[in-house]
Amino acid sequence: AQSVTQPDIHITVSEGASLELRCNYSYGATPYLFWYVQSPGQGLQLLLKYFSGDTLVQGIKGFEAEFKRSQSSFNLRKPSVHWSDAAEYFCAVEQVGTASKLTFGTGTRLQVTL
Amino acid sequence: DTEVTQTPKHLVMGMTNKKSLKCEQHMGHRAMYWYKQKAKKPPELMFVYSYEKLSINESVPSRFSPECPNSSLLNLHLHALQPEDSALYLCASSQWGGGTLYEQFFGPGTRLTVL
Repeated sequence: AQSVTQPDIHITVSEGASLELRCNYSYGATPYLFWYVQSPGQGLQLLLKYFSGDTLVQGIKGFEAEFKRSQSSFNLRKPSVHWSDAAEYFCAVEQVGTASKLTFGTGTRLQVTL
Repeated sequence: DTEVTQTPKHLVMGMTNKKSLKCEQHMGHRAMYWYKQKAKKPPELMFVYSYEKLSINESVPSRFSPECPNSSLLNLHLHALQPEDSALYLCASSQWGGGTLYEQFFGPGTRLTVL
């Protein structure tokens, strides 16, 4: 069965600093990978996705992620964090069979200091 | 319209009540999902409907009863819930078919409190 690990439960960065959130996956086939962001009490918004092709994917809000098959990783990056980026970030892997099943990591809470 | 709407936003119910959560999308998506999210935890899949038929039931207790009356609507009927069922219930939708993967669009959720 597939699984997703986000090793960092909580990260604090200063506004304007760079950010990298880690995500490792375990999946037998080529994974379909996603990063979602969730503000408190809100639903999930898709930041970016990787299905195939170029391993560096660009998303919304200035985020990017790089798929590294050899490391089973899909880390999320942003060169300069804004205070509004403070939220919970979830990495997810999708299994396609008879239906679509998303498996989420445990999440990383990002705090931004001014 | 790229939005998934959920009503109500908040719901408080007693353990003997019957209530329903509603989810609606007008993106032409043929797959719809219910997730349960406890505080400080990731969403957990409950049910998947594809083409208005139940595709996945993740061993959810029968006190939760999903219904998909048409391709735009998804309901979750609640009966005899327990306090531990208090959570944020998220609905999502996606395109589906042809062996191709599509992203899921999430609604804002219904915050459920069971007293």
